[in-house]
Amino acid sequence: AQKITQTQPGMFVQEKEAVTLDCTYDTSDQSYGLFWYKQPSSGEMIFLIYQGSYDEQNATEGRYSLNFQKARKSANLVISASQLGDSAMYFCAMREGPNTGNQFYFGTGTSLTVIP
Amino acid sequence: DAGVIQSPRHEVTEMGQEVTLRCKPISGHNSLFWYRQTMMRGLELLIYFNNNVPIDDSGMPEDRFSAKMPNASFSTLKIQPSEPRDSAVYFCASSVILAGGNEQFFGPGTRLTVL
Repeated sequence: AQKITQTQPGMFVQEKEAVTLDCTYDTSDQSYGLFWYKQPSSGEMIFLIYQGSYDEQNATEGRYSLNFQKARKSANLVISASQLGDSAMYFCAMREGPNTGNQFYFGTGTSLTVIP
Repeated sequence: DAGVIQSPRHEVTEMGQEVTLRCKPISGHNSLFWYRQTMMRGLELLIYFNNNVPIDDSGMPEDRFSAKMPNASFSTLKIQPSEPRDSAVYFCASSVILAGGNEQFFGPGTRLTVL
């Protein structure tokens, strides 16, 4: 089974609108972390936001928020007020806990295009 | 603070040649990861180290690939002999081992082209 599943290969959003990028995960660990990264066309991987498995509140970082639904094992990224510079690939990732070697898993990514 | 440093940034070589990619993790980080990214296969984890010890190398495609981490501040990924299908961007990332937390910091990547 895939550890991280991103079902949206490509998404379009109008500038200034909000967009949700989906991510589901699979783990039997109690302690894990969930991450989102952005990869613009220039190629670098940029960390956006982190959610710990024990965090009760959804993580927020500026225009980014993580909609964490633990029972459903989903960790969707919400980008509010989209900007042209948000056009990029977005990767969801999970780090499992020490019992499984602190392994990191990445999804296949979602390509986001912001339309002016 | 310097981030993760990778060298070279670009490498063009001919099939059959040996290629060595280098990575210097962020000081104090004790977890290091090597990834390969291609259009066809996306981002693939090749190998990762905790405290300089290889933990999982199941992503290494074949025996032509090898990775070492002789100390906490240096790692290499070697391909010998290289083949055109090895052409990709190779990322090194480092992190601090904590239960479930702390993001990976990625280097700028090495773009490898094997002719």
